[in-house]
Formats: sequence, structure tokens, C-alpha cells
Amino acid sequence: DVKVTQSSRYLVKRTGEKVFLECVQDMDHENMFWYRQDPGLGLRLIYFSYDVKMKEKGDIPEGYSVSREKKERFSLILESASTNQTSMYLCASSFGKLNQYFGPGTRLTVT
Amino acid sequence: KQEVTQIPAALSVPEGENLVLNCSFTDSAIYNLQWFRQDPGKGLTSLLLIQSSQREQTSGRLNASLDKSSGRSTLYIAASQPGDSATYLCALTSNTGKLIFGQGTTLQVKP
Repeated sequence: DVKVTQSSRYLVKRTGEKVFLECVQDMDHENMFWYRQDPGLGLRLIYFSYDVKMKEKGDIPEGYSVSREKKERFSLILESASTNQTSMYLCASSFGKLNQYFGPGTRLTVT
Repeated sequence: KQEVTQIPAALSVPEGENLVLNCSFTDSAIYNLQWFRQDPGKGLTSLLLIQSSQREQTSGRLNASLDKSSGRSTLYIAASQPGDSATYLCALTSNTGKLIFGQGTTLQVKP
């Protein structure tokens, strides 16, 4: 079974802190994705990556950056956390255009 | 721009009832369509995936259909159970590989 893991289930950070969210998949998928999910807005794509060191902006990249140094790991970075980045963050991976497999999510609260 | 709509936003049914969840989309140029289940505070679990060339997929009590010409998909749940209570999300994979989500239907099955 495909397994996508995220480094934390719950995270509380202060405004202005630099925040790292880590995602690891074990199926050698070339594609990895970061989404955020907010009530009333659904899931929105922040960034995705088609290969190591490759990244593409999604629909809402502002305030975020990403890093993919190894195929299995995709990191989401909040350079200076703000309260409007309080959200559920979901990571996913896929092979080509096939099923995306999702991690359990990280609920981030920025105070 | 592709838009995905799910109606209703919430649904409450008694146990044992058969039910249909609806998903509509504006652009028929899709690669596939997936139905996901999300339990509160958790990640997404893929239920069914229908390729663009297919009409339906079945898994146990679940049946998903796809009609590209009318821009519609339905998820049929037979003999609903309280354990089916969750949010159901419809998502399209565009030809560029991006997933575009609907807002979801929150289902409650009452014992």
C-alpha cells in the first residue's frame, strides 16, 4: 500500500516564525503536491513538483515556498507565518496522472 | 476555467437508505474523476476513480458514474450505514495532471 506521511498532525506556531511541513512518500512517485483546506473554500493547490528539484506554483503560492531535494520528500515552507495561514495542510503524491494518495494532514494554528 | 460543484452541501438520511451524491463540472476535457472520502480532521481516502473513457466504477456498495457530455458524475451509496458518515469529495484530474476539487457533501447517516 502507498504510504504518505506528514511530520506533524498538529502544530502551533507564532506569527513571524519560519515553519517547515514535511511530507514523505514510499512509492517512488515522481509527483508530489501540497494543498490547504479551509471551510467554505475547499482544497486549494499551493505547490506541486514533477521531479526532484522541480517545482510549479499552484493556485495560491503566495507566502509559501517548497523544497524537493529527494524524490520521496517534499517540504512546504512558510517563510514568515501569518494568522491567515492557519489551516489544514494536506500532502499528496502520484505516479503520472493516476490516483493521488493523500497524507493524514497537518492542522497548523498560527497565533 | 474548470469549476467543480457538489450538491447538496450536506445530507442527512436514515440508516438503510440508498442515496446519490452529485458532482458537476464545466469543462469536459478531463483525464479522470475521483471520489474521495474524508473523515473529520483526517486526510482523504480515494474511493473510486473513473477514467475519462469509462462510464462507471463499482466497489462494494459504492457505484460512481461519469457523463462527460453533460458534465456530471454521481456517487451512489447503497444501503447506507452510520459508518458511511463523512464528507465526500469529487475531484477531476485535468489533462495537465492537476486535481480540481469540489466543495464536498457532508453525509450523516442516522441509526
